[in-house]
Amino acid sequence: GENVEQHPSTLSVQEGDSAVIKCTYSDSASNYFPWYKQELGKRPQLIIDIRSNVGEKKDQRIAVTLNKTAKHFSLHITETQPEDSAVYFCAALNTGGFKTIFGAGTRLFVKA
Amino acid sequence: GAVVSQHPSWVICKSGTSVKIECRSLDFQATTMFWYRQFPKKSLMLMATSNEGSKATYEQGVEKDKFLINHASLTLSTLTVTSAHPEDSSFYICSARDEGSAVYEQYFGPGTRLTVT
Repeated sequence: GENVEQHPSTLSVQEGDSAVIKCTYSDSASNYFPWYKQELGKRPQLIIDIRSNVGEKKDQRIAVTLNKTAKHFSLHITETQPEDSAVYFCAALNTGGFKTIFGAGTRLFVKA
Repeated sequence: GAVVSQHPSWVICKSGTSVKIECRSLDFQATTMFWYRQFPKKSLMLMATSNEGSKATYEQGVEKDKFLINHASLTLSTLTVTSAHPEDSSFYICSARDEGSAVYEQYFGPGTRLTVT
């Protein structure tokens, strides 16, 4: 079945450094790739997304890149801050269907 | 953005009892809602897809007789954990998409923490 693999499972960076999280998907029909941030005890919230007709998207300190040929996409956070500490989930969706497949999550620690 | 609420936010029940969790889309309609289970420090595990007016679609390994789903209206889906056992203790989250918009974002409820004693 469809699968999304996410790496690393845990990432620790120093404040101000960059963080990169990578995901690979299996369903070639996937055309929408969101990233969610979940703080402890709270609901996941969308932080950025990208559609398959775009290779890169940026929103302030957050950027996402997509390589459809290789079926992988990445989240880049620059100038990390302690408040970026959370669990990040990548996901893939075929917008012709309805089921979003989530990665296993990456626990990001930003050390002050 | 669109808002999804969930009730209760936490519940403690005794083994053998049933617990109902409600998921509501507050400002949009959703023919499809999703129920997830999340263990501590783990990912979101899709349990089932709730379909308004029809039977839910359960993921492999999820007991449909244990986790009853009802989607009676375009804004409400309920998950009932029947004959709860301590191993059912978990964080349950629902989500929905605003199907009336061109946005594919999933909006999550705040979750329900179930503890079975």
